[in-house]
Amino acid sequence: NAGVTQTPKFQVLKTGQSMTLQCAQDMNHEYMSWYRQDPGMGLRLIHYSVGAGITDQGEVPNGYNVSRSTTEDFPLRLLSAAPSQTSVYFCASSYDPGISGNTIYFGEGSWLTVV
Amino acid sequence: DQQVKQNSPSLSVQEGRISILNCDYTNSMFDYFLWYKKYPAEGPTFLISISSIKDKNEDGRFTVFLNKSAKHLSLHIVPSQPGDSAVYFCAAIPNRDDKIIFGKGTRLHILP
Repeated sequence: NAGVTQTPKFQVLKTGQSMTLQCAQDMNHEYMSWYRQDPGMGLRLIHYSVGAGITDQGEVPNGYNVSRSTTEDFPLRLLSAAPSQTSVYFCASSYDPGISGNTIYFGEGSWLTVV
Repeated sequence: DQQVKQNSPSLSVQEGRISILNCDYTNSMFDYFLWYKKYPAEGPTFLISISSIKDKNEDGRFTVFLNKSAKHLSLHIVPSQPGDSAVYFCAAIPNRDDKIIFGKGTRLHILP
């Protein structure tokens, strides 16, 4: 059981480059989301999706794009990388998080450095 | 404006003693609260949760208390063990919403 799989685990980008962080889950979860973790800032929600074809913005969406063409995959695109996007990125999934008792599962994280 | 606040960035507790991690929130429409534990270089893992209709939930060494009037919840770990050293995130889910809002985390050090 793979759970939530993120790739790549580490990436160095130059300012202005674009890239996609991949996220896949094999638990048939409807809800998927992307967070970034920065020192002293906790986990901040970037974008989330409540099902295939549906996405919405979180707290810090600027500079990122998402799509949800399948239930399994939720890629996060950096359109033009900036040093401020240097962070650790976590993908998460769950059944409807609004229903109590549903655990949210996180991937292992993707370390991104923009130089 | 931060809706979920963990005001203590770090906490040190002697092994065997009780660890108490605190979390305050501002939105009275939060319906469900969760605690997550995170080790370095790993993703957060679910620890324990509580619904807004309850004031206590217990799971082994971990107990979460909710005081709705004070908009405050706390996580108690008894007895604290070395493996409990990690960052703990408090999170909340608003009623009829799909966003999960996390606090900034508290780093717990269990001292030998």
